[in-house]
Amino acid sequence: DAGITQSPRYKITETGRQVTLMCHQTWSHSYMFWYRQDLGHGLRLIYYSAAADITDKGEVPDGYVVSRSKTENFPLTLESATRSQTSVYFCASIQFAGNTEAFFGQGTRLTVV
Amino acid sequence: QQPVQSPQAVILREGEDAVINCSSSKALYSVHWYRQKHGEAPVFLMILLKGGEQKGHEKISASFNEKKQQSSLYLTASQLSYSGTYFCAAAEAGNMLTFGGGTRLMVKP
Repeated sequence: DAGITQSPRYKITETGRQVTLMCHQTWSHSYMFWYRQDLGHGLRLIYYSAAADITDKGEVPDGYVVSRSKTENFPLTLESATRSQTSVYFCASIQFAGNTEAFFGQGTRLTVV
Repeated sequence: QQPVQSPQAVILREGEDAVINCSSSKALYSVHWYRQKHGEAPVFLMILLKGGEQKGHEKISASFNEKKQQSSLYLTASQLSYSGTYFCAAAEAGNMLTFGGGTRLMVKP
């Protein structure tokens, strides 16, 4: 099925552990984004990617690592999870932010205990 | 820096109108608007391009003042289904897409 999918949908992890959130899109969109959503802050951009092997920091990149070896995948890794990284994470893809719409995955609810 | 939205929350009765504002401190290529229902992902409503072109929703309109880097979303004759959180998003150079803090809209019968 065409679309953008995130996995897992829910994740509980312990402080200090590494965790990777997956994002896969089937449209071959050039741009992909990772956002975190917390009450009172809306959607904050963590990292984004313009193409395979091209990534750039967003507003809140500290504590996160991304890679994009293939156009369709954009995993987000928390190298050493902290409680402040408890959040809902959304992945999005877009062909061109200037004049086309963004499509979002279903979100991953991450809890760090 | 995130775009700034106002108001933060609005409560309406069915049939009433509302305006949601969005302001950015950076030069924009375009402004997007999205709506998010509780527990769901944001869904595209509209995009406003430089030069006045709009793409999107039939029953919701918006404006984009390029000089002031401001946009407004107009919800007329609101319906119960309009309830949710509305986000503006600023498309900047390099295709970075940053979202505002959101406006919570509740439409009551």
